[in-house]
Amino acid sequence: VQLVQSGAEVKKPGESLKISCEASGYSFSNHWIGWVRQMPGKGLEWMGTIYPGDSETRYSPSFQGQVAMSVDKATETAYLQWRTLKASDTAVYFCAVKIAARAFDYWGQGTLVTVPS
Amino acid sequence: QLTQSPSFLSASVGDRVTITCRASQGIGTFLAWYQQIPGTAPKLLIYAASTLQRGVPSRFSGSGSGTDFTLTINDLQPEDFATYYCQHFSSNLRGTFGQGTRLDTK
Repeated sequence: VQLVQSGAEVKKPGESLKISCEASGYSFSNHWIGWVRQMPGKGLEWMGTIYPGDSETRYSPSFQGQVAMSVDKATETAYLQWRTLKASDTAVYFCAVKIAARAFDYWGQGTLVTVPS
Repeated sequence: QLTQSPSFLSASVGDRVTITCRASQGIGTFLAWYQQIPGTAPKLLIYAASTLQRGVPSRFSGSGSGTDFTLTINDLQPEDFATYYCQHFSSNLRGTFGQGTRLDTK
C-alpha cells in the first residue's frame, strides 16, 4: 500500500487550491480515505473521510463547507480542495486510508500548504 | 472527545511509560494509537484498543475499553521518543484524535 501526495504549495490568501493523494497497492474503491490537518507545532485534526466507491463523504463540523473532498477512480487519486484560502489554512495535510480496522492503517507523506498573511 | 494524559512526559532509555486516553462517552474498544516522529507522517501502532499493528515491536501494548484506555511502552528505546495520539472512529466513520502526548528524553 502506498499513498503519494502532491508537493508543497505556497499560495496567496483568496486563491484556490487542490492537493492530491495517489493510491496504489490495494482496492482503491473499497476503502475509506481520510484527510488530517496538522497546523504548525500542533496536533492531528480529522477533517473528513470519503468512500471512493460512491464518493460518500463524512466531514468534521470544523471543516464542513471550508474544504471539499473528491476522488478520481480512474487514476485512483483522492483530492482535497479549497475555493478560498486563508492564512489559517497553513498546515501539513495528510491523507490516510482505512483498510483492516477502524483506524488509518497507511498514511501519505503529507503536503505542506503555506498561505502567508 | 478524547483526552490524553499527560501532555508531556520525560523518560529515559529502558524505562516503562504509560499514556492514558479517556473518552467522553463509551466507545467499546474502537480506539487506535499512533506514533509521530517530527517531520514524518503518523504511524499506526495499535488498533481495536489492544491489537498490535503488523511490524510494531512487542514492547508496545494497549489496553482498555469503554472510556479508559492506556498505551504502555516497555523498555523504551531511543527511537520511541516521539508524540503519541489516540484516535476513535465512530460507527459512521467520524474520527476524533486526542491532543497528543509528547515523550521526551530525560
